[in-house]
Amino acid sequence: SQTIHQWPATLVQPVGSPLSLECTVEGTSNPNLYWYRQAAGRGLQLLFYSVGIGQISSEVPQNLSASRPQDRQFILSSKKLLLSDSGFYLCAWTGPEVNYEQYFGPGTRLTVT
Amino acid sequence: EDQVTQSPEALRLQEGESSSLNCSYTVSGLRGLFWYRQDPGKGPEFLFTLYSAGEEKEKERLKATLTKKESFLHITAPKPEDSATYLCAVWGASGGSYIPTFGRGTSLIVHP
Repeated sequence: SQTIHQWPATLVQPVGSPLSLECTVEGTSNPNLYWYRQAAGRGLQLLFYSVGIGQISSEVPQNLSASRPQDRQFILSSKKLLLSDSGFYLCAWTGPEVNYEQYFGPGTRLTVT
Repeated sequence: EDQVTQSPEALRLQEGESSSLNCSYTVSGLRGLFWYRQDPGKGPEFLFTLYSAGEEKEKERLKATLTKKESFLHITAPKPEDSATYLCAVWGASGGSYIPTFGRGTSLIVHP
């Protein structure tokens, strides 16, 4: 069965510090990978998605970036965090088979102070 | 542009009081409509996929239905453990093949 991991689970970082969140998927090959941000009381905001190694599409211009160094690894980064980067970050995947079902990881709670 | 509107934003029920959550959508070429359950501080948990109007899916006290313009998540005789936020999403044919559109969710609280 497929499993998706995210770490860390929680993170408190000062403004201006760098960020690296990691997501890995097990039990599938060639997944489409996604990064979302969920602010309190708001819906899911798609940040980046990737359909293959090294292929990144950005949905929202911001100070965040994403990379996919391996087939089942997706990384979200920032060189300098802003207060507005606080939120709940979710990684998700869909399989190479065309059923469009998207599965989410446990999330990372980021607080920028 | 695909759009998803969920109503109500919040719903409070007494245990055993059945009700329905609504997901209205506008999409170019529906490829699927999805329901998720999200508990506080956790990632959304996949519940159902509906692919065409008239389709229904059931799981325990939950039943999802789909028409050409909306989907309903019916909750029969809810229990306090059904308390969560329920998210609806659609996957359309526009904007490429890789991006779903999510609603803002309905926050459900079931009182014992």
